[in-house]
Amino acid sequence: QKEVEQNSGPLSVPEGAIASLNCTYSDRGSQSFFWYRQYSGKSPELIMSIYSNGDKEDGRFTAQLNKASQYVSLLIRDSQPSDSATYLCAGISSGSARQLTFGSGTQLTVLP
Amino acid sequence: DTAVSQTPKYLVTQMGNDKSIKCEQNLGHDTMYWYKQDSKKFLKIMFSYNNKELIINETVPNRFSPKSPDKAHLNLHINSLELGDSAVYFCASSPYEQGGYGYTFGSGTRLTVV
Repeated sequence: QKEVEQNSGPLSVPEGAIASLNCTYSDRGSQSFFWYRQYSGKSPELIMSIYSNGDKEDGRFTAQLNKASQYVSLLIRDSQPSDSATYLCAGISSGSARQLTFGSGTQLTVLP
Repeated sequence: DTAVSQTPKYLVTQMGNDKSIKCEQNLGHDTMYWYKQDSKKFLKIMFSYNNKELIINETVPNRFSPKSPDKAHLNLHINSLELGDSAVYFCASSPYEQGGYGYTFGSGTRLTVV
């Protein structure tokens, strides 16, 4: 079973703090990883993608990938109440299917 | 607008009925997908389909069947609906060769079986 697992939530942080979201995956053949944000009652929207070991920064968001440890993380700096949502980690499965396999999500609440 | 659109947005039906959910994308993508999201927010792949192959998740009951009249449409048919089928169903699409860029999701269909 190829799985993506996220650290258990929910996670609460005060406004302005750094929120850290973590994810591990079991498929060593996975090459591409994604973080989606899903507001309540809405569809998932892509916020970050990462393909290579190391860090990738986009504004307040930093994605980190460690293929040796099979670990993906998302850091949100200067967290805002508008960041409150469920964050879904996903990986592209190896092989021809190119299917996104999602973790169970981490619910983040940023407290004003 | 360019998008992945699903209809209906809400669907309430009785056990045993047969229903369909429609999905259309005008992004020119090669591959379309159906995902089921349960009450715990877990998104699970049901089908992926492009003009080359249909890949079915082995855990999906055969009461569920995708129908693709053309590259821009992938409808979901569900026969003999059960209470456990209640969930939000998301359609998505991606350019096949660029699956690594992630998917564009439709707005979802909330199915309630009573």
